[in-house]
Amino acid sequence: AQSVTQLGSHVSVSEGALVLLRCNYSSSVPPYLFWYVQYPNQGLQLLLKYTSAATLVKGINGFEAEFKKSETSFHLTKPSAHMSDAAEYFCAVTSGGYGGSQGNLIFGKGTKLSVKP
Amino acid sequence: DVKVTQSSRYLVKRTGEKVFLECVQDMDHENMFWYRQDPGLGLRLIYFSYDVKMKEKGDIPEGYSVSREKKERFSLILESASTNQTSMYLCASSLQGYGQTQYFGPGTRLLVL
Repeated sequence: AQSVTQLGSHVSVSEGALVLLRCNYSSSVPPYLFWYVQYPNQGLQLLLKYTSAATLVKGINGFEAEFKKSETSFHLTKPSAHMSDAAEYFCAVTSGGYGGSQGNLIFGKGTKLSVKP
Repeated sequence: DVKVTQSSRYLVKRTGEKVFLECVQDMDHENMFWYRQDPGLGLRLIYFSYDVKMKEKGDIPEGYSVSREKKERFSLILESASTNQTSMYLCASSLQGYGQTQYFGPGTRLLVL
């Protein structure tokens, strides 16, 4: 069965520090993996997506994530945090469903990132 | 750009009222989804639809129903609102097929008194 675990419901970093948000997945089929960001009182916005084309995926706003099959991980990183990165981040994996549910995703519980000045 | 719009950003209703949440997408997507988001629980799928008039239950369908009469519109209905349905409701849409990106609306924050 497919599942996603995000380690740490809250992460706090200083401005300019490395951002590392952890995501581990379980999938019985080759997965597609996603990171979404949610700013306060808004919907989710796609940051980046892994589709098996390349293990290192670059996204918007300087974020990137590396797919590691041996570790079943897809951690999100950014070299230098900015105040505007404060938001909630969600990792998601394809549900592995068939027919009409092919497009379904399984979401992690989210990690709230705080950035201290 | 894909645009998913939701009829209200904030809504206050009384217990027992019938509540309609509307979602419209403009990208001719086959799939549409309704989620609820609660602190510490992430996103939970209520219902989804992969075609007009088709609907499937998600993980938490109890107390909800949906309607999809047109491809671009997907409605979530709370037949008799209860206080435990106070939540943020998010609509999303995507193309059909494995691994498609879901695009989200801005959300509706519903308070049931």
